[in-house]
Amino acid sequence: QKEVEQNSGPLSVPEGAIASLNCTYSDRGSQSFFWYRQYSGKSPELIMFIYSNGDKEDGRFTAQLNKASQYVSLLIRDSQPSDSATYLCAVKTPNNAGNMLTFGGGTRLMVKP
Amino acid sequence: ETGVTQTPRHLVMGMTNKKSLKCEQHLGHNAMYWYKQSAKKPLELMFVYSLEERVENNSVPSRFSPECPNSSHLFLHLHTLQPEDSALYLCASSPGFGSYEQYFGPGTRLTVT
Repeated sequence: QKEVEQNSGPLSVPEGAIASLNCTYSDRGSQSFFWYRQYSGKSPELIMFIYSNGDKEDGRFTAQLNKASQYVSLLIRDSQPSDSATYLCAVKTPNNAGNMLTFGGGTRLMVKP
Repeated sequence: ETGVTQTPRHLVMGMTNKKSLKCEQHLGHNAMYWYKQSAKKPLELMFVYSLEERVENNSVPSRFSPECPNSSHLFLHLHTLQPEDSALYLCASSPGFGSYEQYFGPGTRLTVT
């Protein structure tokens, strides 16, 4: 079983719609959860992080965490063509060497005008 | 993106060549990372340095040799690589080891022929 799983997509949504990106993780000891955005040919950039169960909102982005079900999601409201990118879910998993980030494979989002 | 720089941006090398990738961070961070990103695979952590000491070697073949002379510079020395080593190699830094914020450089696109 992969440690962090994401649907590779592409997820296609029309401009102005809500895009919902999902991520599941296998290690119940995971404590911190991150969403990175990666435009084609560019490096990942951190857009959201969440530590506690529930929702965390930042502008058009909302991260949702449910530790009991071991999933974290990212909602993008009023999606714009500029949101088209690959979204990487990352989980901080404690191990012997410290807290490392484990990344999912990413979900490619396409927002169509 | 300018906080973490990587050179070269593109590299083509034969299997018998020796080359080095360079990463420099201008953020005053104490931890630096090397990741490998292959097509259709999640980001893979290769090495972690904290205050110039290696704290993680994620089962990486010995043909990859990291060097961290100070907290601002990180190198990845390459020798006798295989075609399957062709990938995007990303450097990242964070304020401290295990910090949730990792800032990525633009990456080096490596092709092994």
